[in-house]
Amino acid sequence: DTGVSQDPRHKITKRGQNVTFRCDPISEHNRLYWYRQTLGQGPEFLTYFQNEAQLEKSRLLSDRFSAERPKGSFSTLEIQRTEQGDSAMYLCASSLGQGVGQPQHFGDGTRLSIL
Amino acid sequence: AQSVTQLGSHVSVSEGALVLLRCNYSSSVPPYLFWYVQYPNQGLQLLLKYTSAATLVKGINGFEAEFKKSETSFHLTKPSAHMSDAAEYFCAVTLSGAGSYQLTFGKGTKLSVIP
Repeated sequence: DTGVSQDPRHKITKRGQNVTFRCDPISEHNRLYWYRQTLGQGPEFLTYFQNEAQLEKSRLLSDRFSAERPKGSFSTLEIQRTEQGDSAMYLCASSLGQGVGQPQHFGDGTRLSIL
Repeated sequence: AQSVTQLGSHVSVSEGALVLLRCNYSSSVPPYLFWYVQYPNQGLQLLLKYTSAATLVKGINGFEAEFKKSETSFHLTKPSAHMSDAAEYFCAVTLSGAGSYQLTFGKGTKLSVIP
């Protein structure tokens, strides 16, 4: 079990730039989730994939955010025209696809800093 | 809608003392409940989960939690704190129906262990 892998671990960029993060889930997991965590808060749900289908999106996911999982394996999260408020830790998680209550396994996150 | 309240943003205990971290949930349907631990600059690691099989749930590293429906609580305990337990702990809930698999997290409790 190689765990959930996220790349990069840290990203520093200027306001207005676009950024893209990658997540590789545990290989047998067909559900993949993105969360955002700001300082002093718990993670907040952004979006969820079942295989390649994006089935749920949070209101937090503005039109500057887009997520893809093209072949049902890795996923990317892109933020366009970054703003100061986008500074956060972006966490990816994956789980098995049978039923509800499957535990989600998290990667170490990508910390985004907007200058 | 589901929500989680963690009482106490910061808890300090002496090494060897009892650890008690409080979590109350709000849910209109039977919930699935989880406790995660987060070390600095890392993702979340699953400690234990409640999925209705047993009300007392044992997890990793000597932690356990008891589901009390009448009190809508899922408090985390450990009989004897170790220095390595110092971290941030998050309680999370997901619903057993409605096809939504997102986790809703509390704001977290930072545990300090005093030697």
